Amino acid sequence: DGGITQSPKYLFRKEGQNVTLSCEQNLNHDAMYWYRQDPGQGLRLIYYSQIVNDFQKGDIAEGYSVSREKKESFPLTVTSAQKNPTAFYLCASSIDRLYMDTQYFGPGTRLTVL
Amino acid sequence: KNEVEQSPQNLTAQEGEFITINCSYSVGISALHWLQQHPGGGIVSLFMLSSGKKKHGRLIATINIQEKHSSLHITASHPRDSAVYICAVNSNTGNQFYFGTGTSLTVIP
Repeated sequence: DGGITQSPKYLFRKEGQNVTLSCEQNLNHDAMYWYRQDPGQGLRLIYYSQIVNDFQKGDIAEGYSVSREKKESFPLTVTSAQKNPTAFYLCASSIDRLYMDTQYFGPGTRLTVL
Repeated sequence: KNEVEQSPQNLTAQEGEFITINCSYSVGISALHWLQQHPGGGIVSLFMLSSGKKKHGRLIATINIQEKHSSLHITASHPRDSAVYICAVNSNTGNQFYFGTGTSLTVIP
């Protein structure tokens, strides 16, 4: 079955620690995205990647970092510089960002920083 | 001001009722999406449309480009339709993607 997987579903970390969220897709999509969702707000774009070894900042990239070493994988690191990291994080992919067609979403990771 | 506004924010309906969720946007778009987010958090794409109307089962999505407005209709609603419905648009400039804050629907048996 093709799709997007994110792990873990729930993640707890102490304040000041970096944490990496996993996102893998086997849809052969070029474009991948990371979003953050907070209560009462729409999804906000953190980073996106249109192709391997290339990625661009979204609207709220401060305190986050990404890599795109493989087409299938787009991990997100939440660094200690992110002031309010507790949120629900969603990874998505699409065939080609240039045409911004249908995005396929992963199940999400809920991060809680204690 | 958000580029995408949805109404209502919350909606409770009795099973079998006809439901309408509205979406208005303020930017030029190349396409509009309706997404469904279940309580567990996963998001599924329901429709992508750039004109007219699309139908899938009991779901109908319409868009009026001139009025910058879209509606999602659910006929014969069922408790399993309970979810958050999110409207999103592809801006036709700058490759931007804007999301509404969602409409939380609860269908009571």
